[in-house]
Amino acid sequence: GAVVSQHPSWVICKSGTSVKIECRSLDFQATTMFWYRQFPKQSLMLMATSNEGSKATYEQGVEKDKFLINHASLTLSTLTVTSAHPEDSSFYICSARGARGSGANVLTFGAGSRLTVL
Amino acid sequence: RKEVEQDPGPFNVPEGATVAFNCTYSNSASQSFFWYRQDCRKEPKLLMSVYSSGNEDGRFTAQLNRASQYISLLIRDSKLSDSATYLCVVNNAGNMLTFGGGTRLMVKP
Repeated sequence: GAVVSQHPSWVICKSGTSVKIECRSLDFQATTMFWYRQFPKQSLMLMATSNEGSKATYEQGVEKDKFLINHASLTLSTLTVTSAHPEDSSFYICSARGARGSGANVLTFGAGSRLTVL
Repeated sequence: RKEVEQDPGPFNVPEGATVAFNCTYSNSASQSFFWYRQDCRKEPKLLMSVYSSGNEDGRFTAQLNRASQYISLLIRDSKLSDSATYLCVVNNAGNMLTFGGGTRLMVKP
């Protein structure tokens, strides 16, 4: 089945550091990838929709200059948390949907990246 | 009103019990429906798609009620390993997938 690889799975950094998280679809082409954030005991919150070759679409309240998304190829999307602060500490998860057919409606998730900003 | 709503729970049930969750959606043009399972500190994983005619996979049964705009998930003979958060996902006419807030299930021995 479809596999999405997300890296790194765990990162601890100092305040003010920028952190890049990669999301790769390993065996399928993902024209659309999604980035979510999840705080402890809360539901997934969609941050942005990443479309290959075009600008990401950000949800209301998500700063696009703070959370930079690049989707340069059909198998890779990156999220960069710029100048991270402790309040950015969270679980970041990416997902990708299949390119066509019934797979286009099913999301495959990466394993998530736990960011802790000191 | 949220687009997709779920009772957050937690639902505390004993092993072997039958438990059911509902998920309501507001967009009558929604086309596809799914249940995902998320374990603590892990990513969500697809549990099952929900078909108009209803579908069953082992101990799990999913049903769709378009008239009342809800989907349901029934778990029979609950196992300890069923403890997780169950997320309802709806694909609306704009081809956007919207998540419910999740329902937490705790199965106790």
